[in-house]
Amino acid sequence: DTAVSQTPKYLVTQMGNDKSIKCEQNLGHDTMYWYKQDSKKFLKIMFSYNNKELIINETVPNRFSPKSPDKAHLNLHINSLELGDSAVYFCASSHFPDIAKETQYFGPGTRLLVL
Amino acid sequence: KNEVEQSPQNLTAQEGEFITINCSYSVGISALHWLQQHPGGGIVSLFMLSSGKKKHGRLIATINIQEKHSSLHITASHPRDSAVYICAVSLSGGGADGLTFGKGTHLIIQP
Repeated sequence: DTAVSQTPKYLVTQMGNDKSIKCEQNLGHDTMYWYKQDSKKFLKIMFSYNNKELIINETVPNRFSPKSPDKAHLNLHINSLELGDSAVYFCASSHFPDIAKETQYFGPGTRLLVL
Repeated sequence: KNEVEQSPQNLTAQEGEFITINCSYSVGISALHWLQQHPGGGIVSLFMLSSGKKKHGRLIATINIQEKHSSLHITASHPRDSAVYICAVSLSGGGADGLTFGKGTHLIIQP
């Protein structure tokens, strides 16, 4: 059973389009994250969210918005896609309350290519 | 300057060699994580530690809080250990801020 799953695995789209990436975890975790891995393979936090608090990395453009229908899901919606959004996006989850000391479990990643 | 620095960036070694990857950080942390990213792209958490030493199979991770330094060791290395090893930290008081990552060490173990 997959602990953290993401769909789609690959996403190829045109500039200007709006797209969503879905993430689901079946670990019963309270906190979920979105990370972006750029072309140089550097990972950076985009968002973290638990059922009470959304924390946004200030460098993330407001074209990116996380949406959480319930605590097992944290979807990433991207408006007006740009070439620079091409990257691999990883979802992760961990257990509340001591989030800073909890192991994070990563999804398999979604490879986004904007043409 | 990145808050988390790893060395070396690239490492090629022969099968059986003892491998050491280093990580230094410049901020207060609650915990330090070692992650492994496979050639296929998947990321697996190897260790999370806030003090001392942890061992899992042929992997050993140590941390020195005073010196703000951690090492990941691989004993009796094998070609299947070839991957990118990433050091990441949870910042002190960061709550749900997520991880701050180093740039990774690309390890190749040759048969």
